[in-house]
Amino acid sequence: DGGITQSPKYLFRKEGQNVTLSCEQNLNHDAMYWYRQDPGQGLRLIYYSQIVNDFQKGDIAEGYSVSREKKESFPLTVTSAQKNPTAFYLCASSSAENYEQYFGPGTRLTVT
Amino acid sequence: GQNIDQPTEMTATEGAIVQINCTYQTSGFNGLFWYQQHAGEAPTFLSYNVLDGLEEKGRFSSFLSRSKGYSYLLLKELQMKDSASYLCAVSSNAGNMLTFGGGTRLMVKP
Repeated sequence: DGGITQSPKYLFRKEGQNVTLSCEQNLNHDAMYWYRQDPGQGLRLIYYSQIVNDFQKGDIAEGYSVSREKKESFPLTVTSAQKNPTAFYLCASSSAENYEQYFGPGTRLTVT
Repeated sequence: GQNIDQPTEMTATEGAIVQINCTYQTSGFNGLFWYQQHAGEAPTFLSYNVLDGLEEKGRFSSFLSRSKGYSYLLLKELQMKDSASYLCAVSSNAGNMLTFGGGTRLMVKP
Protein backbone atom coordinates (compact mmCIF):
# COMPACT_ATOMS: atom_id res chain seq x y z
CA ASP A 1 0.00 0.00 0.00
CA GLY A 2 1.62 3.23 -1.17
CA GLY A 3 1.29 6.40 0.81
CA ILE A 4 2.73 8.96 3.18
CA THR A 5 3.13 8.41 6.87
CA GLN A 6 3.71 10.96 9.58
CA SER A 7 4.38 10.19 13.19
CA PRO A 8 3.35 10.76 15.81
CA LYS A 9 -0.24 11.94 15.36
CA TYR A 10 -0.03 14.10 18.50
CA LEU A 11 3.14 15.55 20.02
CA PHE A 12 3.62 17.57 23.19
CA ARG A 13 6.77 19.50 24.05
CA LYS A 14 7.96 22.07 26.50
CA GLU A 15 8.95 25.51 25.28
CA GLY A 16 12.65 25.75 24.46
CA GLN A 17 12.99 22.18 23.21
CA ASN A 18 13.67 21.23 19.62
CA VAL A 19 11.38 18.57 18.19
CA THR A 20 11.59 16.56 14.96
CA LEU A 21 8.51 15.47 13.00
CA SER A 22 8.92 12.51 10.69
CA CYS A 23 7.57 12.12 7.17
CA GLU A 24 8.08 9.00 5.04
CA GLN A 25 6.67 8.18 1.60
CA ASN A 26 6.85 5.03 -0.52
CA LEU A 27 5.29 6.58 -3.62
CA ASN A 28 8.70 7.07 -5.28
CA HIS A 29 7.96 10.80 -5.49
CA ASP A 30 10.85 13.20 -6.05
CA ALA A 31 9.30 16.26 -4.41
CA MET A 32 8.29 16.61 -0.77
CA TYR A 33 6.78 19.50 1.18
CA TRP A 34 6.06 20.66 4.70
CA TYR A 35 3.07 22.86 5.51
CA ARG A 36 1.81 24.46 8.65
CA GLN A 37 -1.91 24.93 9.29
CA ASP A 38 -3.35 27.07 12.08
CA PRO A 39 -6.99 26.79 13.20
CA GLY A 40 -9.41 27.96 10.52
CA GLN A 41 -6.56 28.81 8.16
CA GLY A 42 -5.18 27.49 4.90
CA LEU A 43 -1.83 25.77 4.38
CA ARG A 44 1.41 27.74 4.52
CA LEU A 45 4.58 26.32 2.99
CA ILE A 46 7.53 25.88 5.36
CA TYR A 47 10.11 24.02 3.26
CA TYR A 48 10.14 21.96 0.11
CA SER A 49 12.55 19.60 -1.60
CA GLN A 50 12.52 18.77 -5.31
CA ILE A 51 15.31 16.22 -5.14
CA VAL A 52 17.48 14.35 -2.65
CA ASN A 53 20.10 16.47 -0.85
CA ASP A 54 18.43 19.71 -1.92
CA PHE A 55 15.72 21.82 -0.31
CA GLN A 56 14.42 25.39 -0.37
CA LYS A 57 12.73 27.70 2.09
CA GLY A 58 9.03 28.31 1.71
CA ASP A 59 7.04 31.29 2.95
CA ILE A 60 7.50 30.70 6.69
CA ALA A 61 10.86 28.87 7.12
CA GLU A 62 12.13 30.85 10.12
CA GLY A 63 12.54 28.65 13.17
CA TYR A 64 12.41 25.41 11.18
CA SER A 65 15.01 23.15 9.56
CA VAL A 66 14.83 20.11 7.28
CA SER A 67 17.02 17.47 5.70
CA ARG A 68 16.58 15.26 2.64
CA GLU A 69 19.20 12.51 2.85
CA LYS A 70 16.91 9.87 1.34
CA LYS A 71 14.22 10.09 -1.32
CA GLU A 72 11.67 8.53 1.03
CA SER A 73 12.24 10.75 4.04
CA PHE A 74 11.88 14.48 4.75
CA PRO A 75 12.00 15.18 8.51
CA LEU A 76 11.14 18.62 9.87
CA THR A 77 12.76 20.04 13.02
CA VAL A 78 10.88 22.71 14.91
CA THR A 79 13.54 24.65 16.78
CA SER A 80 13.28 26.75 19.92
CA ALA A 81 13.63 29.80 17.66
CA GLN A 82 10.11 29.27 16.29
CA LYS A 83 8.05 31.80 18.21
CA ASN A 84 4.67 30.08 17.96
CA PRO A 85 5.17 26.40 17.13
CA THR A 86 1.80 25.04 18.23
CA ALA A 87 0.03 24.03 14.99
CA PHE A 88 -1.02 21.19 12.71
CA TYR A 89 1.86 20.10 10.45
CA LEU A 90 1.23 18.40 7.13
CA CYS A 91 3.74 16.67 4.89
CA ALA A 92 3.06 16.10 1.18
CA SER A 93 4.77 14.65 -1.86
CA SER A 94 4.36 14.84 -5.62
CA SER A 95 5.86 13.29 -8.72
CA ALA A 96 7.67 15.17 -11.47
CA GLU A 97 4.93 14.32 -13.98
CA ASN A 98 1.93 15.32 -11.91
CA TYR A 99 1.36 18.46 -9.91
CA GLU A 100 -1.06 16.77 -7.53
CA GLN A 101 0.23 16.64 -3.98
CA TYR A 102 -0.53 13.69 -1.74
CA PHE A 103 -0.78 14.43 1.96
CA GLY A 104 0.15 12.53 5.08
CA PRO A 105 -2.26 12.35 8.05
CA GLY A 106 -0.55 15.25 9.84
CA THR A 107 1.05 15.81 13.25
CA ARG A 108 -0.59 18.09 15.78
CA LEU A 109 2.18 19.72 17.82
CA THR A 110 1.43 21.43 21.12
CA VAL A 111 4.17 23.40 22.86
CA THR A 112 3.55 24.68 26.37
CA GLY B 1 3.54 37.22 -5.72
CA GLN B 2 0.39 35.16 -5.70
CA ASN B 3 -2.97 35.95 -4.18
CA ILE B 4 -5.82 33.47 -3.76
CA ASP B 5 -9.19 34.44 -2.31
CA GLN B 6 -12.11 32.30 -1.26
CA PRO B 7 -14.95 32.88 1.23
CA THR B 8 -14.17 31.94 4.81
CA GLU B 9 -17.44 30.18 5.61
CA MET B 10 -20.60 29.01 3.89
CA THR B 11 -23.74 27.27 5.10
CA ALA B 12 -26.09 25.14 3.01
CA THR B 13 -28.94 22.69 3.48
CA GLU B 14 -28.79 18.95 3.00
CA GLY B 15 -29.90 18.02 -0.52
CA ALA B 16 -29.20 21.49 -1.92
CA ILE B 17 -26.50 22.78 -4.29
CA VAL B 18 -23.65 25.03 -3.19
CA GLN B 19 -21.01 26.89 -5.20
CA ILE B 20 -17.66 27.80 -3.62
CA ASN B 21 -15.76 30.48 -5.50
CA CYS B 22 -12.03 31.05 -5.77
CA THR B 23 -10.27 33.98 -7.43
CA TYR B 24 -6.54 34.12 -7.99
CA GLN B 25 -3.77 36.35 -9.25
CA THR B 26 -0.59 34.60 -10.27
CA SER B 27 2.14 34.59 -12.88
CA GLY B 28 2.82 31.50 -14.95
CA PHE B 29 -0.42 29.69 -14.15
CA ASN B 30 -0.32 25.92 -14.69
CA GLY B 31 -3.55 24.71 -13.15
CA LEU B 32 -5.91 24.85 -10.19
CA PHE B 33 -6.68 22.20 -7.59
CA TRP B 34 -9.56 21.72 -5.19
CA TYR B 35 -9.01 19.70 -2.03
CA GLN B 36 -11.44 18.64 0.68
CA GLN B 37 -10.28 18.63 4.30
CA HIS B 38 -12.27 17.31 7.24
CA ALA B 39 -11.34 18.75 10.62
CA GLY B 40 -8.05 17.37 11.91
CA GLU B 41 -7.42 15.30 8.81
CA ALA B 42 -5.27 15.56 5.70
CA PRO B 43 -6.56 17.29 2.57
CA THR B 44 -7.81 14.91 -0.11
CA PHE B 45 -7.80 15.61 -3.84
CA LEU B 46 -11.10 16.55 -5.50
CA SER B 47 -10.27 18.05 -8.89
CA TYR B 48 -7.64 19.59 -11.14
CA ASN B 49 -8.46 22.12 -13.87
CA VAL B 50 -5.95 23.17 -16.51
CA LEU B 51 -8.18 24.32 -19.36
CA ASP B 52 -11.22 26.60 -19.29
CA GLY B 53 -14.52 24.92 -18.69
CA LEU B 54 -16.39 22.58 -16.41
CA GLU B 55 -15.08 19.23 -15.17
CA GLU B 56 -17.75 16.99 -13.69
CA LYS B 57 -17.07 14.12 -11.33
CA GLY B 58 -20.15 12.66 -9.69
CA ARG B 59 -21.75 15.13 -7.29
CA PHE B 60 -18.76 17.47 -7.55
CA SER B 61 -17.91 19.74 -10.50
CA SER B 62 -15.16 22.31 -10.90
CA PHE B 63 -15.04 25.24 -13.31
CA LEU B 64 -12.10 27.34 -14.47
CA SER B 65 -11.78 30.61 -16.37
CA ARG B 66 -8.11 31.40 -16.90
CA SER B 67 -8.77 34.81 -18.43
CA LYS B 68 -10.78 35.88 -15.38
CA GLY B 69 -8.57 34.19 -12.77
CA TYR B 70 -11.66 32.46 -11.42
CA SER B 71 -12.73 29.00 -10.41
CA TYR B 72 -15.63 27.47 -8.56
CA LEU B 73 -16.41 24.13 -6.97
CA LEU B 74 -20.02 23.01 -7.30
CA LEU B 75 -21.41 20.45 -4.88
CA LYS B 76 -24.79 18.91 -5.70
CA GLU B 77 -27.19 16.85 -3.56
CA LEU B 78 -25.38 17.94 -0.44
CA GLN B 79 -24.91 15.37 2.30
CA MET B 80 -24.02 15.92 5.94
CA LYS B 81 -20.61 14.32 5.33
CA ASP B 82 -19.81 17.16 2.91
CA SER B 83 -19.32 19.43 5.93
CA ALA B 84 -15.62 20.19 5.63
CA SER B 85 -13.16 22.82 4.50
CA TYR B 86 -12.57 23.20 0.76
CA LEU B 87 -9.14 24.43 -0.29
CA CYS B 88 -8.38 26.10 -3.59
CA ALA B 89 -4.73 25.78 -4.67
CA VAL B 90 -2.89 27.15 -7.69
CA SER B 91 0.06 25.54 -9.44
CA SER B 92 2.37 28.04 -11.10
CA ASN B 93 5.67 28.15 -12.95
CA ALA B 94 7.46 27.74 -9.62
CA GLY B 95 8.05 24.03 -10.14
CA ASN B 96 5.30 21.81 -8.81
CA MET B 97 4.63 23.92 -5.77
CA LEU B 98 1.09 24.81 -4.84
CA THR B 99 -0.12 28.02 -3.28
CA PHE B 100 -3.22 27.52 -1.15
CA GLY B 101 -6.08 29.83 -0.40
CA GLY B 102 -7.33 30.16 3.17
CA GLY B 103 -10.02 27.52 2.66
CA THR B 104 -13.81 27.72 2.80
CA ARG B 105 -15.48 26.02 5.73
CA LEU B 106 -18.79 24.53 4.56
CA MET B 107 -21.45 23.61 7.09
CA VAL B 108 -24.30 21.43 5.83
CA LYS B 109 -27.44 21.62 7.95
CA PRO B 110 -30.36 19.17 8.00
